Amino acid sequence: DTAVSQTPKYLVTQMGNDKSIKCEQNLGHDTMYWYKQDSKKFLKIMFSYNNKELIINETVPNRFSPKSPDKAHLNLHINSLELGDSAVYFCASSHYVASGSLFFGPGTRLTVL
Amino acid sequence: AQKVTQAQTEISVVEKEDVTLDCVYETRDTTYYLFWYKQPPSGELVFLIRRNSFDEQNEISGRYSWNFQKSTSSFNFTITASQVVDSAVYFCALRVYGGSQGNLIFGKGTKLSVKP
Repeated sequence: DTAVSQTPKYLVTQMGNDKSIKCEQNLGHDTMYWYKQDSKKFLKIMFSYNNKELIINETVPNRFSPKSPDKAHLNLHINSLELGDSAVYFCASSHYVASGSLFFGPGTRLTVL
Repeated sequence: AQKVTQAQTEISVVEKEDVTLDCVYETRDTTYYLFWYKQPPSGELVFLIRRNSFDEQNEISGRYSWNFQKSTSSFNFTITASQVVDSAVYFCALRVYGGSQGNLIFGKGTKLSVKP
């Protein structure tokens, strides 16, 4: 009965590989997000989807491609991984795009070697 | 543009001390929400409180209290009688109501260490 879940929790991979992170929410929320937390703990929005439509793309390299097959899922695919992509990636959801609290998943720690 | 400033990077206290975490925000919008999240060493982000811009009443929840003052654009968080389990990074965040983007803008966080 986890509200926002992400898999995997840890991801260790080599530079140049392609990887995906999956996110699912069972809260019935309309809006989902991807946030990146860097090594200094700074949290920044990457993408936001509302009812499966992309509404935010914050100057993220196009190696990052979000996909939302339905309202409850927002996956993140990363091509040609670079060392600088190492971070913790958090998925979140909220009831509406305009209001409501964001609830976060447990995070995925990505390490690129 | 919106901005959240948490000037205290790290705070260290001894158990049972009271501690206040400062948060100052900037926005031109009249309707907005303010949040506090806790990130313990285990890494998850735990929602603590949401306050809307029309409600300046202070809130208390157990040992936690929040002081929202629009006149100074501040939303400070006080932990009374701190405990070791309070050790975490605390983030203040701002969300503008009705914006097309809907995202949270986070401060850089304050790392609180509570020593026994």
